[in-house]
Amino acid sequence: GDSVTQMEGPVTLSEEAFLTINCTYTATGYPSLFWYVQYPGEGLQLLLKATKADDKGSNKGFEATYRKETTSFHLEKGSVQVSDSAVYFCALSLQRRDDKIIFGKGTRLHILP
Amino acid sequence: AAGVIQSPRHLIKEKRETATLKCYPIPRHDTVYWYQQGPGQDPQFLISFYEKMQSDKGSIPDRFSAQQFSDYHSELNMSSLELGDSALYFCASSLGSSAGELFFGEGSRLTVL
Repeated sequence: GDSVTQMEGPVTLSEEAFLTINCTYTATGYPSLFWYVQYPGEGLQLLLKATKADDKGSNKGFEATYRKETTSFHLEKGSVQVSDSAVYFCALSLQRRDDKIIFGKGTRLHILP
Repeated sequence: AAGVIQSPRHLIKEKRETATLKCYPIPRHDTVYWYQQGPGQDPQFLISFYEKMQSDKGSIPDRFSAQQFSDYHSELNMSSLELGDSALYFCASSLGSSAGELFFGEGSRLTVL
């Protein structure tokens, strides 16, 4: 079935470090790919998305490129901040009308000052 | 911009009681989704509605039911509550043409004692 696999956390980095959170997917169709972020005590916010191969989603210094050949959508940021501490969920949707989003297990990120 | 509104934000119930959660989607969104997120877990899809009809069903217990009303708001009814039902319940809405992008509410935290 359709699924998302992302690296387990927690990931702990120092401020200004480079971040990569790996995400790969399995899908029967041609999915849209997303990264959602959940800050402590809050809901899910869309961080970025990509809807076709080689698209790059970007927001708040985060980037992810839709790689169809490797079925991946890795999240990167060049210089993390303490305020980036949160749980990051990779997700997919099959671009069908009313299709649900399938989430990965989430990766907790801790940024140390 | 208007967002997805969920109520109540917090709810405390005893075992075997009943709870109802409400969700008001973004205006003109035609699809509503319910997710359950246990402590430290990824959001699990429960059920969705498109144009007031159930469109997909996930891991929703038989003790739970949901519906979407003529004004597109949705309610999740949970009966015979168990301790394991304690979780954050998210509602999300989307528009059929949005390439799978879901907009999430802040969530309703249910605690079963």
